Amino acid sequence: EAQVTQNPRYLITVTGKKLTVTCSQNMNHEYMSWYRQDPGLGLRQIYYSMNVEVTDKGDVPEGYKVSRKEKRNFPLILESPSPNQTSLYFCASRLRGLAGVNTGELFFGEGSRLTVL
Amino acid sequence: QKEVEQNSGPLSVPEGAIASLNCTYSDRGSQSFFWYRQYSGKSPELIMFIYSNGDKEDGRFTAQLNKASQYVSLLIRDSQPSDSATYLCAVNPILTGGGNKLTFGTGTQLKVEL
Repeated sequence: EAQVTQNPRYLITVTGKKLTVTCSQNMNHEYMSWYRQDPGLGLRQIYYSMNVEVTDKGDVPEGYKVSRKEKRNFPLILESPSPNQTSLYFCASRLRGLAGVNTGELFFGEGSRLTVL
Repeated sequence: QKEVEQNSGPLSVPEGAIASLNCTYSDRGSQSFFWYRQYSGKSPELIMFIYSNGDKEDGRFTAQLNKASQYVSLLIRDSQPSDSATYLCAVNPILTGGGNKLTFGTGTQLKVEL
C-alpha cells in the first residue's frame, strides 16, 4: 500500500529535550516536505527536499532541522524544543514534477501531534 | 497580505445545494492550484488541481481559475453531509517559492446540513 508513515503519532515532551519525528514513504517520490498545522494559521511549510542531500527552508524553519540521506526518509529534528513548537506536524511527499514545477499530488502522512511542556 | 486567503467560515449549505468555496492568492506568477479536503482529525487529501484559466470538472466538483483576478474557486454540486470538512486551497508560488513550495490557505470549513 502506497503511504507516508510518520512516527511517533503522539508525543508529549519537555522544553529542551531533543526529539526526532521520522517520516518514510514507499512511493519512490523525489519531493518530501514537512508542514505544521496550527489553529487559525493553517498549514505552514517548515522544510522541503527535492531529492537526496537537497533540502531547503520553507516558511517557518526556525528551531527545526532536517536531513535527506535516503530517498524514502525525511526526519524532522527538534534540537531544543520549546512550547511554541507544540503543533500538529505533517510529512508529505510527491513526484518531483516537470522542470521542478509542482505538478503532482501531495500525499500526506497521518500527522504527529507534539506537545512541548 | 497573505499569500493565499480563504474565508474561514463555517459555510453552511443544505443537503443537495451547491457549495461555493473561494480563494485568492497574491503571487501573480503562480502556476498550479490545488484543492485539498481535510476531515477533522485527518490528513489533507487532494480533490482537484487546475493549471489553466477556466473550469475543470470532476464528478460533483468543479474548480474555476481566473489568473487575471488571482482567484480560484471550488464548486461542490449536490452537496452531501459527507462533504462536511475543511477545504484547503493551495498555490504553487513561482516568484516567492521558485516553483518548489506549496502554500496553503487557512481553509474554509464547510457544513452540509440535512
